[in-house]
Amino acid sequence: EDQVTQSPEALRLQEGESSSLNCSYTVSGLRGLFWYRQDPGKGPEFLFTLYSAGEEKEKERLKATLTKKESFLHITAPKPEDSATYLCAVQPRGTDKLIFGTGTRLQVFP
Amino acid sequence: EPEVTQTPSHQVTQMGQEVILRCVPISNHLYFYWYRQILGQKVEFLVSFYNNEISEKSEIFDDQFSVERPDGSNFTLKIRSTKLEDSAMYFCASSISTDTQYFGPGTRLTVL
Repeated sequence: EDQVTQSPEALRLQEGESSSLNCSYTVSGLRGLFWYRQDPGKGPEFLFTLYSAGEEKEKERLKATLTKKESFLHITAPKPEDSATYLCAVQPRGTDKLIFGTGTRLQVFP
Repeated sequence: EPEVTQTPSHQVTQMGQEVILRCVPISNHLYFYWYRQILGQKVEFLVSFYNNEISEKSEIFDDQFSVERPDGSNFTLKIRSTKLEDSAMYFCASSISTDTQYFGPGTRLTVL
């Protein structure tokens, strides 16, 4: 069964304290892996798409990487405005649907 | 920047009533989706729609649910007879191809 597991469930960081969020997945064939940011009461906001192992994408303080079994979202020198829930989703080959993990709730304190 | 819009932002209904949730996808997108998120749980896929027909649906999307693209801009989700367990945030998404999906802000459905 296709599955996505994210860890940790919650992460508290001091402003400027870099860290990584993990997304482990099992899927019959990977079409793409997606990272989204979700603020409370809002819809998921697209961050990155990764397609193959070894691929990396960067945007401001965020960098996403992909291996055959997991993806990492690295946050460098986070700011309080980076506080949100970060969602990982996989799109299995042969389907349009996204399968989401439960997310990592990130809080960054000044 | 173009974005997906949804109305209403919050809908309160009585159990057994019909509701219609509305979405305006990004204008040049061809693929449309509905997802839902029960409070504190994962975002779950409901249905995908392309070329005026359902291309895929989940087990959640039973006979109580239907989707429609009534005109060139709107995409709707109808729940025929709401149940308490239908209470959730409902998200519409759209994509140019079967690739990156862009989500709307959601409609919070509360069934009393």
